[in-house]
Amino acid sequence: DGGITQSPKYLFRKEGQNVTLSCEQNLNHDAMYWYRQDPGQGLRLIYYSQIVNDFQKGDIAEGYSVSREKKESFPLTVTSAQKNPTAFYLCASRNRAGDGNQPQHFGDGTRLSIL
Amino acid sequence: AQSVTQPDIHITVSEGASLELRCNYSYGATPYLFWYVQSPGQGLQLLLKYFSGDTLVQGIKGFEAEFKRSQSSFNLRKPSVHWSDAAEYFCAVAERDTGRRALTFGSGTRLQVQP
Repeated sequence: DGGITQSPKYLFRKEGQNVTLSCEQNLNHDAMYWYRQDPGQGLRLIYYSQIVNDFQKGDIAEGYSVSREKKESFPLTVTSAQKNPTAFYLCASRNRAGDGNQPQHFGDGTRLSIL
Repeated sequence: AQSVTQPDIHITVSEGASLELRCNYSYGATPYLFWYVQSPGQGLQLLLKYFSGDTLVQGIKGFEAEFKRSQSSFNLRKPSVHWSDAAEYFCAVAERDTGRRALTFGSGTRLQVQP
């Protein structure tokens, strides 16, 4: 079955450490997105990529970095500059074909906590 | 900047009762509109979407939503709630005239179903 795989499901970060969250999709989607979810705040956009080797900052990009070297992969690195990284991170992808009226499909998320 | 408001943080209904979850958006033009559902610790599943045409849209699991341009609303409804509907529900919008297509989410409504 096609879908989006996020790993690991749970991740712990030590102070001053960078950690990388994996997102892989086999839906052949062009666009991919990273969102952060905090209780009572809905989801907020961190980074997005419309095409391989290109990505743009979202609304809360500070302290995060991404790469898009392959169409199916969009890893997110939470750097030590992100002072409040504890959250639930969701990856999504979307088919860019047509008018763009294609919904986003979501992975099952990674929960990041600070040790 | 566009915004999405879900005024009800938490709703409790009895099983078999009807349900309406409210969503209002603020945007200059009619955006693409979506409702997603999230079970605890999981990703988001698309319930339904509105792009154009008939303002009453049908979704999965017996849900429907009505777009009202004059009220900038896109309320979600279900005539008879099942215990398995207990989850968090998110309304989201995406801009029509940009390539970003990232979603702006409301803060969510948590639905509890009483037996």
